[in-house]
Amino acid sequence: DGGITQSPKYLFRKEGQNVTLSCEQNLNHDAMYWYRQDPGQGLRLIYYSQIVNDFQKGDIAEGYSVSREKKESFPLTVTSAQKNPTAFYLCASSMKLTNTEAFFGQGTRLTVV
Amino acid sequence: LAKTTQPISMDSYEGQEVNITCSHNNIATNDYITWYQQFPSQGPRFIIQGYKTKVTNEVASLFIPADRKSSTLSLPRVSLSDTAVYYCLAHGGNNRKLIWGLGTSLAVNP
Repeated sequence: DGGITQSPKYLFRKEGQNVTLSCEQNLNHDAMYWYRQDPGQGLRLIYYSQIVNDFQKGDIAEGYSVSREKKESFPLTVTSAQKNPTAFYLCASSMKLTNTEAFFGQGTRLTVV
Repeated sequence: LAKTTQPISMDSYEGQEVNITCSHNNIATNDYITWYQQFPSQGPRFIIQGYKTKVTNEVASLFIPADRKSSTLSLPRVSLSDTAVYYCLAHGGNNRKLIWGLGTSLAVNP
């Protein structure tokens, strides 16, 4: 089945540690995105990538890093510089940045302990 | 950037038709209206999209009047499984510029 897969579903991190969230898609989409969702707030864009080997900062990129070495994969690293990392993280993809239909993964809930 | 406004919450009962209205007063000429559905602890799912008049698919209908300053998502005969948050977005052909609000939390009661 075609789709977008995030792993793990739940992740616990100690303060001061970096952690990497996985996002893989087999939809042959060029564009991929990372969002953060907090209770009582809408989705906020962290990073996006229009094509392989290219990515751009979104609205809340501080404390995060990404890579796009393969078309299928867009991992997100939450670094120790992110002051409030506990949140629900969503990865999405679309055919192009301009396509209006985006496909989302199931999300990763990150908790800092 | 087109900001959308929709009710924070709505209640309904099984079998009823639910209409969720979204306001987008400063919508741009090339903006499409897109609706997503999100269940708790899951990613949003695309429902329907339109530019003007009416669009219908197997899940919902979308009504957009001529002035395009508002739109209405219509869910026919809702069931308990339609309990979710529904997001209205005005999309001008660049996902980078999407503004996600709080959505409308729909509760369908038995």
